[in-house]
Amino acid sequence: SQTIHQWPATLVQPVGSPLSLECTVEGTSNPNLYWYRQAAGRGLQLLFYSVGIGQISSEVPQNLSASRPQDRQFILSSKKLLLSDSGFYLCAWRFTSPYNSPLHFGNGTRLTVT
Amino acid sequence: EDQVTQSPEALRLQEGESSSLNCSYTVSGLRGLFWYRQDPGKGPEFLFTLYSAGEEKEKERLKATLTKKESFLHITAPKPEDSATYLCADAGGTSYGKLTFGQGTILTVHP
Repeated sequence: SQTIHQWPATLVQPVGSPLSLECTVEGTSNPNLYWYRQAAGRGLQLLFYSVGIGQISSEVPQNLSASRPQDRQFILSSKKLLLSDSGFYLCAWRFTSPYNSPLHFGNGTRLTVT
Repeated sequence: EDQVTQSPEALRLQEGESSSLNCSYTVSGLRGLFWYRQDPGKGPEFLFTLYSAGEEKEKERLKATLTKKESFLHITAPKPEDSATYLCADAGGTSYGKLTFGQGTILTVHP
């Protein structure tokens, strides 16, 4: 079976500091990978997705970037955090096919920028 | 632009009191309608995928149905452990499995 790991679970960072959140998937190869952000009381906003190593698509212009250095590893980064970057960050994976297979989420990272 | 709207925003039920949650979507060419359950501080947990109008799926006290523009999540005789936020999302027209999520319905079941 497949599992997804996301860490850290919580993070408090000062404004202007760098960020690195990591996500790994086990039990499958070549998954599609996604980073979502969930603001308090709101739905999930897609930030980035990747269909392969080194292939990153950005959905919204922002202060964040993503990388996929290995097949099952997805990293969310920032060089300088803003207050508005606070939120709940979720990594997700899905099988490449069928095209409408569901997303499976990790347990998220609660980021507070102070 | 694809929009997914869920109602109500919050629902409070007594244990055993059945009800339904609504999810409406605007996308044409629906490729899938997904329901998730999310507990506080956790990531969403996949419940169901519906692909075509008239389709139904069940899991314990939950039943999801789909029409051409809406999906319903029916909760029969709920228990306190069913309390959670229920999210729906559609995959329509977009590639690579990108989902558009609704805002969610916060369900509270009182004993």
